[in-house]
Amino acid sequence: QSALTQPRSVSGSPGQSVTISCTGTSSDVGAYNYVSWYQQHPDKAPKLIIYDVNKWYSGDPARFSGSKSGNTASLAISGLQAEDEADYYCCSYAGSYTWVFGGGTKLTVL
Amino acid sequence: EVQLVESGGGAARPGGSLRLSCAASGFTFDNYGMAWARKAPGKGLEWVSGINWNGGRTGYADSVKGRFIISRDNAKNSLYLQMNTLGADDTAMYYCAREGSSYHYIGWGQGTLVTVSS
Repeated sequence: QSALTQPRSVSGSPGQSVTISCTGTSSDVGAYNYVSWYQQHPDKAPKLIIYDVNKWYSGDPARFSGSKSGNTASLAISGLQAEDEADYYCCSYAGSYTWVFGGGTKLTVL
Repeated sequence: EVQLVESGGGAARPGGSLRLSCAASGFTFDNYGMAWARKAPGKGLEWVSGINWNGGRTGYADSVKGRFIISRDNAKNSLYLQMNTLGADDTAMYYCAREGSSYHYIGWGQGTLVTVSS
């Protein structure tokens, strides 16, 4: 159960696009189409954005999208806005009723 | 609306125990799996443990296996986490979460803080 690998930080200017990667293994990300993404602002609870790799749950559906290729999932955010500045975590089902999160990525809107 | 309220956090000594509770409302509790996750200071989210709708299936992170026990009381709409043999690495904000229609978590509580220190 090693944490999924995410970049520690990404940044972009308002209106630009960023992509956050999430690399796991053939036992988690590669094995299941059950990757979800969460946004967490400081001192707030996490909030689900994307589930089942690419299904939108909350946030602007036109700006947040998910994808997966092999053992790597990605979250793309377009049209960056100031309120997008937060920590983002990927999460994958890992079998045997266990899950694993990524280490988290801090998004800075310049 | 999914509402989850954690309680039971506080200070504990290394080697000690704490029992966390999560009171659920706004949904039919016994229809959904539940989980605990934590966020240590300066670190990322860590999935801790999960339990299915009737308690018949549970899972644990390797970091807590054998020390923590997850349980639920559907009659009381409550989720629990019994934490034993606590260590400094267990210091974190603990969140309870509700599963969605698939293998993800759609509702989160505001967390309860656990601090393990001598």
